[in-house]
Amino acid sequence: TQLLEQSPQFLSIQEGENLTVYCNSSSVFSSLQWYRQEPGEGPVLLVTVVTGGEVKKLKRLTFQFGDARKDSSLHITAAQPGDTGLYLCAGRRTSGTYKYIFGTGTRLKVLA
Amino acid sequence: EPEVTQTPSHQVTQMGQEVILRCVPISNHLYFYWYRQILGQKVEFLVSFYNNEISEKSEIFDDQFSVERPDGSNFTLKIRSTKLEDSAMYFCASTKETGPNYGYTFGSGTRLTVV
Repeated sequence: TQLLEQSPQFLSIQEGENLTVYCNSSSVFSSLQWYRQEPGEGPVLLVTVVTGGEVKKLKRLTFQFGDARKDSSLHITAAQPGDTGLYLCAGRRTSGTYKYIFGTGTRLKVLA
Repeated sequence: EPEVTQTPSHQVTQMGQEVILRCVPISNHLYFYWYRQILGQKVEFLVSFYNNEISEKSEIFDDQFSVERPDGSNFTLKIRSTKLEDSAMYFCASTKETGPNYGYTFGSGTRLTVV
């Protein structure tokens, strides 16, 4: 079973700071998604990256897929309290499956 | 915006009892999934379902689990004889296509507590 490790596991920062969350694996993925989950809710899709080296921006969030499609990062610029939540990466293997396997999660708290 | 609806939001059951968790996926979606999240742990895949049959299942999805789409709108997860370790948030998800640009739409989950 491939494992998606996220780091850091917990992050507490002040409003306005920048941060990066990492998602790493030894497996190659055909696509990788990032979700945000708030307490008592299901994960909400933020982005999907498909091509090695791909960079996608969503307002203050920048997502990058590693060249070898084994890792990804999420960078948040000028974090706001509304960014607080659990960030999850999820990867789909290269063949034989449609399911996404979720990472271990990064719990972010942005303090006002 | 279309959403996936799950009921109940919270279910408490005694060990050994059967439970049925219900989901109404988005109406034009074709692929359905159940995931679970034990408190403080990661989201784990249970099963995927397409064209009225299971397409994939994990090792967690043993003989105690079953899924059904009884009437073309509901998608249910049944646990025949619940164990304490089945306590978790259970999330239903659906997607229209399986291509990489189609992400899951998750429901808000059912919190199952086995006592």
